[in-house]
Amino acid sequence: AQKITQTQPGMFVQEKEAVTLDCTYDTSDQSYGLFWYKQPSSGEMIFLIYQGSYDEQNATEGRYSLNFQKARKSANLVISASQLGDSAMYFCAMREPNTGTASKLTFGTGTRLQVTL
Amino acid sequence: DAGVIQSPRHEVTEMGQEVTLRCKPISGHDYLFWYRQTMMRGLELLIYFNNNVPIDDSGMPEDRFSAKMPNASFSTLKIQPSEPRDSAVYFCASSLRGRSGNTIYFGEGSWLTVV
Repeated sequence: AQKITQTQPGMFVQEKEAVTLDCTYDTSDQSYGLFWYKQPSSGEMIFLIYQGSYDEQNATEGRYSLNFQKARKSANLVISASQLGDSAMYFCAMREPNTGTASKLTFGTGTRLQVTL
Repeated sequence: DAGVIQSPRHEVTEMGQEVTLRCKPISGHDYLFWYRQTMMRGLELLIYFNNNVPIDDSGMPEDRFSAKMPNASFSTLKIQPSEPRDSAVYFCASSLRGRSGNTIYFGEGSWLTVV
């Protein structure tokens, strides 16, 4: 069963507009972490934002915010005021259920965002 | 601070040759991961280490793949012999337990092409 689902293979957004990238996850564990990474065409994986399952407030990092809805098991990434440089592949990931030592990430299939003028 | 450093950035090799990918994690991090990214399978965890000890190598595709971490600042991923289906981007990543949910920081990747 897929643990991380990103249903939008591609998205377009106009420059300066906000965009939401969807992510749903599946876990029976109470303690977990959710991450978003950006992969531009140059290939590197850039960490954007983290949300812990026990965090009461939605995470924010500059223009990035995470809309965390625990009951719905969703962790959508919101990018405000899109810029051309935001054009990239975006991956949602979940830290696997806590075994006390593990810190692995399971990734979704990604959403390709294209910012247009 | 220096991030995760990988070398080589690009490698083209002939089938049957040995390939060694290298990684220097972020100083002080106690976890090191090797991931592989392909179009077909996305990002897959191959192996990870904690304090230089391999913890889980269940993602290593077969015996042709091996990974070592002789000290806290260096790791290698070796493929011997290489095959065309090994062509992928190989990422090394590191994290520090207890920091921001164990956020994993990636290197820039090693782009491997086996012809």
